[in-house]
Amino acid sequence: KAGVTQTPRYLIKTRGQQVTLSCSPISGHRSVSWYQQTPGQGLQFLFEYFSETQRNKGNFPGRFSGRQFSNSRSEMNVSTLELGDSALYLCASSFTAGGRNEQFFGPGTRLTVL
Amino acid sequence: QKEVEQDPGPLSVPEGAIVSLNCTYSNSAFQYFMWYRQYSRKGPELLMYTYSSGNKEDGRFTAQVDKSSKYISLFIRDSQPSDSATYLCAMSHIILTGGGNKLTFGTGTQLKVEL
Repeated sequence: KAGVTQTPRYLIKTRGQQVTLSCSPISGHRSVSWYQQTPGQGLQFLFEYFSETQRNKGNFPGRFSGRQFSNSRSEMNVSTLELGDSALYLCASSFTAGGRNEQFFGPGTRLTVL
Repeated sequence: QKEVEQDPGPLSVPEGAIVSLNCTYSNSAFQYFMWYRQYSRKGPELLMYTYSSGNKEDGRFTAQVDKSSKYISLFIRDSQPSDSATYLCAMSHIILTGGGNKLTFGTGTQLKVEL
C-alpha cells in the first residue's frame, strides 16, 4: 500500500508570494491533517480535513488555508508569504474509524521564503 | 508552559545500550499516546501507538504510559546505529464537537547510537 505523498518536495518563494502544497493520503484514509515543523517551535497543528470539511483548526493566521477534494486529496495554501513561514510542511492521513486514529506522515514539503 | 515537555537532548549512547526516552504532559484529557521516529530531512514515522495507561511492546521497543503521573516513556533495547534519529512523542484526545483529533507533539529528543 502506497504511503502519504506530498508535492512538491522543495519550494523556494519570495516574501509576498503565495504557495499551494499538495497531499495525497493513504488509500482509504479520509482524514488529512497538516502540520508545520520549524526548529524553534517543533511540530504544530495547522488543520484537519475530513470528507471535504475542515474539522479542526490550529492557532495559525488566516493566511493559511486548505481544502480537501472528494478523493480525499488535500491542498494547503499560504498567501502573502513571510520569512517566518519557512518550514517543513507535513501532511498526515488517518483512517479514523473504530476508535483508531493513528496518523501517518508524508515526507513533507520544505518551503524556503526569501 | 507547554502542554507536552520533552528533553531535546542530544542523547548519545553506545551500541547495544538500553535507551529511555520520556515525555511529561499537563492536559489530563489526552488519551492516545504515540511515539514517532524522524530521520533527518524525512517525515515522522509512527513507531508506537497506545491508548490509556500500561505497557506495549513491539520488537525492541516498549512504550509505557502512566496517566496518573502524566508521564510516558519509550524504551529501546539493544540500540543500533540505525536508531540514530529524533524521537517525538505525540498525544491526542477525542474532540467531542465535530469529532476528529489533532496531535500535540513534544519538541523531540535527538538520539545518537555510537559504534
